Amino acid sequence: ETGVTQTPRHLVMGMTNKKSLKCEQHLGHNAMYWYKQSAKKPLELMFVYNFKEQTENNSVPSRFSPECPNSSHLFLHLHTLQPEDSALYLCASSQGGLAGVNEQFFGPGTRLTVL
Amino acid sequence: AQSVTQPDIHITVSEGASLELRCNYSYGATPYLFWYVQSPGQGLQLLLKYFSGDTLVQGIKGFEAEFKRSQSSFNLRKPSVHWSDAAEYFCAVGAGSGNTGKLIFGQGTTLQVKP
Repeated sequence: ETGVTQTPRHLVMGMTNKKSLKCEQHLGHNAMYWYKQSAKKPLELMFVYNFKEQTENNSVPSRFSPECPNSSHLFLHLHTLQPEDSALYLCASSQGGLAGVNEQFFGPGTRLTVL
Repeated sequence: AQSVTQPDIHITVSEGASLELRCNYSYGATPYLFWYVQSPGQGLQLLLKYFSGDTLVQGIKGFEAEFKRSQSSFNLRKPSVHWSDAAEYFCAVGAGSGNTGKLIFGQGTTLQVKP
């Protein structure tokens, strides 16, 4: 595998389900990001991790819970979601430290549908 | 507050015609500016970036962009569009500093290419 990979690519879940999204980067980066992309809205930054420490939580509801066990892996745990949470969830990575400066490499995304 | 505006939600050009996608930003300090492209069902790919120096930057796939501080603009151009350029294009500004920095994206411009 190369670049940034995300699994699953598609996910359908009910509002009472618990599921997790997984992101893995094979670039040796130290910063990882979760974004939400909804139709007709700008890309929304959700979380930033630098060297495994969370450095940004963009007022995300607690039904989204990130986990970064090491610099290569990032998870987004989902529980009791709402239909409006249906979106494309993108993971990205970059060299650590300067999240506003360094190029971010994106995965293909997980298309989430909440019924 | 930092922001990015892409005035054109949707643009249609004929194959072989020239292209210009507009981007205006609001940022107090010297900005770091990026253009990303997203093909359907894919993540974002970096086309080019401006950090400092020459205000005309060259990117991949024949794209270029010009930074104009006086107009707070970073417009993307291509002299001759190919059908494969049909995609969504995002302008972004790097905001903040150090570990708290992040990218702020515009709402995107969808490019359609007519044969």
